Amino acid sequence: DAGVTQSPTHLIKTRGQHVTLRCSPISGHKSVSWYQQVLGQGPQFIFQYYEKEERGRGNFPDRFSARQFPNYSSELNVNALLLGDSALYLCASSWGDRGSFQPQHFGDGTRLSIL
Amino acid sequence: AQSVTQPDIHITVSEGASLELRCNYSYGATPYLFWYVQSPGQGLQLLLKYFSGDTLVQGIKGFEAEFKRSQSSFNLRKPSVHWSDAAEYFCAVGAGNTDKLIFGTGTRLQVFP
Repeated sequence: DAGVTQSPTHLIKTRGQHVTLRCSPISGHKSVSWYQQVLGQGPQFIFQYYEKEERGRGNFPDRFSARQFPNYSSELNVNALLLGDSALYLCASSWGDRGSFQPQHFGDGTRLSIL
Repeated sequence: AQSVTQPDIHITVSEGASLELRCNYSYGATPYLFWYVQSPGQGLQLLLKYFSGDTLVQGIKGFEAEFKRSQSSFNLRKPSVHWSDAAEYFCAVGAGNTDKLIFGTGTRLQVFP
């Protein structure tokens, strides 16, 4: 079975532009989470979506937004890009059933570079 | 607030030597604890998890971890390291009623032949 897939693999943008990153979860998984990993740091939680509803949001500005589609794939959008947004963006999926914590399965990420 | 501390930024071991990576967490309730490994340019692979029950958990690739509530620790161990184990290792705690993970800053493992 395919794992979590993310596209594109690499992306170069300039300050002020916007970007859309895409994620397809493992088949059957209904929850998608997004993380930002700055070089030399651990991943930081941005969003979690379950059944197309936002379930959790990390401490990120409103420039960051996301959505989940009926097929459970997800997009992360970042507006007005800043140099500090340069990072590896990781998507993770899980079954997402409420009442029990689900291990997250990660994709290989999108490397975003801001010039 | 929940947090994870990995005190060792960088560890170097010889191939065949034993390994222990330290992890301390801060969390008010019973924690869900995880170890992930990340190879350069790749995503995170789940090594093992602790939810409840036996405090010694076995994972993939010969890794194990022990949950010690009294010390708020969840250290990762391997009896004999292989060169292919060289990577970045992250400890994480599951927080709240979402599937949110809080990660430590990671420990980079180098293995010498």
